[in-house]
Formats: sequence, C-alpha cells, structure tokens
Amino acid sequence: QVQLQESGPGLVKPSETLSLACTVSRGSISNYHWNWIRQPPGKGLEWIANIHYSGSTNYNPSLKSRVTISVDTSKSQFSLKLSSVTAADTAVYYCARSSDGSGSFVWFDPWGQGTLVTVSS
Amino acid sequence: SYELTQPPSVSVSPGQTATITCSGDKLGDKYASWYKQKPGQSPVLVIYQDKKRPSGIPERFSGSNSGNTATLTISGTQAMDEADYYCQAWDSSVLFGGGTKLTVL
Repeated sequence: QVQLQESGPGLVKPSETLSLACTVSRGSISNYHWNWIRQPPGKGLEWIANIHYSGSTNYNPSLKSRVTISVDTSKSQFSLKLSSVTAADTAVYYCARSSDGSGSFVWFDPWGQGTLVTVSS
Repeated sequence: SYELTQPPSVSVSPGQTATITCSGDKLGDKYASWYKQKPGQSPVLVIYQDKKRPSGIPERFSGSNSGNTATLTISGTQAMDEADYYCQAWDSSVLFGGGTKLTVL
C-alpha cells in the first residue's frame, strides 16, 4: 500500500515562504495526481493544489497567487511552497493522492499523516 | 460560490443507524466522497463516487446522492465510528463540507 510522508519546518515567520515536501513510498508516483490539503487547528479541510507526475497542475483559486507546487519523479517527491504567510496559514498540512486532477473524479486516498506548520514570529 | 453544507453534529445510539447529510445546489449532478477523521489522525476515505466503498471499509458504511443532498449512512453504528465526517465534491475546484461530528452515545 502506497505511503505518503510530509516533511518540512514546523515554524515559519510571517511574510516568509512555507516549504513542504511529500515523499511517496511503497508505490509509484507515476499515473496519479498528488495533492496538498490543509486543516487549521479545530477547523475543516481546505484543498490547496495538485500536480500530475507529468507536471500539470490545478490550484484552489483562493490560494493560487501564493502557491507553487512541483514534482521530482526521480526522488518520488512533490513539494509545496506558500508565500507571504500569515497566522491564518497555521494548519496541519496533508499530502494525498488522487486518480484525477480536476472534475468529478477527484477523491483522496491515501493521505499522509500530516505536519503542523505554525506561522509566528 | 458553491458551498457544501453539513450539520455540525449528529448523535446516534450504538447499534442504530446514523445519517449524515451534505447539501449543495444540484449536488446530485456531481460525485460526492466522504472522509472519516478521528482526533489527531488523518482523514480516511470511506465513500467515493457517491456510493462506492474502498477496500477495507466495512459494509455498514453506505452512500447516496440525489437532488441537492448526498447522504452517508452508517448502519449498526459502533463506538469506533465516532469521528468527524467530511463530504467532498468538485465545482470548479475541490470543495469540502464543514464537517459533522458523529457522537455515539
């Protein structure tokens, strides 16, 4: 069963860039779309973006201007950069796999364990 | 903008049937998925394409979607089913409902 593991700093200063990576193991990064989803403490889920192993991307319109997503198939990794962060970006960040990148055939399985990123000076 | 609305909380007695709804304009024309999340854990997919169960999800979990409402039904609810449940669909972007806390008491 494919496994996903997030990694990156747990603390980011306001106005700086949040950078996370997700490593895919026990399975291939090919032929799927790879997603970032976040959850502020005590709140609901918010989809951020996804990327296909070929490099095609889809973004949440509300975050698109601040988000960069990339994939490194040689490392079986994909990454998230979120710029100009504020306290509102404090959340648990999850990576997850989907079979499709957009449209009705998008659902998420499996998910990584999540990593808490706090934005604070 | 499109929204998915869930009741904040649902309570059910052990062994009874729990019903969690997710409402959105013409949601029945889209596919809905459902996720279960226990405290401190990652979400787990329990229903996709309205009514399909991933491998390993118990048969007591079922789903339907028609009109403006998608429904997650848990038959013979067990204490282990107590969790937050989120619906998800696509409308120009991925959307999640606000979540429903299922209490088994």
